[in-house]
Amino acid sequence: NAGVTQTPKFQVLKTGQSMTLQCAQDMNHNSMYWYRQDPGMGLRLIYYSASEGTTDKGEVPNGYNVSRLNKREFSLRLESAAPSQTSVYFCASSEGEGGHEQYFGPGTRLTVT
Amino acid sequence: AQSVSQHNHHVILSEAASLELGCNYSYGGTVNLFWYVQYPGQHLQLLLKYFSGDPLVKGIKGFEAEFIKSKFSFNLRKPSVQWSDTAEYFCAVTRSGSSYKLIFGSGTRLLVRP
Repeated sequence: NAGVTQTPKFQVLKTGQSMTLQCAQDMNHNSMYWYRQDPGMGLRLIYYSASEGTTDKGEVPNGYNVSRLNKREFSLRLESAAPSQTSVYFCASSEGEGGHEQYFGPGTRLTVT
Repeated sequence: AQSVSQHNHHVILSEAASLELGCNYSYGGTVNLFWYVQYPGQHLQLLLKYFSGDPLVKGIKGFEAEFIKSKFSFNLRKPSVQWSDTAEYFCAVTRSGSSYKLIFGSGTRLLVRP
């Protein structure tokens, strides 16, 4: 059981470049999430997917898009990267609604120059 | 808007000292409460959670937290810390019945000196 996996682990982009962060979970969870972690600000929700086929905006969605490819996979896309998107990105999953625990991936450290 | 406050941003303790990390939230309804820990270089892991019932919750590695509804608080405690407890600790809150909008505090960095 790998839990939640993310690729890549590290990435450096130039301003304006695009990239997709991949996330997969093998726990048969219904819900998946993308967060960004910035120093002194905790984790902030970017987008979430309550179930396969649905996605919704979180607290800081601007500049990002997501795709829930299937029940296992949830990707995050930066269409035109900006220095303000330099952060550590975490994917998480949970069984679904009801206050279930969220399980986190190892994170992707992204630097935009 | 719902928010979570962690008042101590950095805490330095010696081994065997007692620990208490504060967490207050602003939402007035029924909530679910969590403490997550992030060890250096690792991803977030759940320490403990409160959904209902006994307000004193015990978690892994000797940690516990007490939910005080009247104070909107969910403080984390450990009677005797170890060097291996060095990590960043995050309090998080969500409304009962919905796990989607998990709101995190800004985190507390704990350094335990051997």
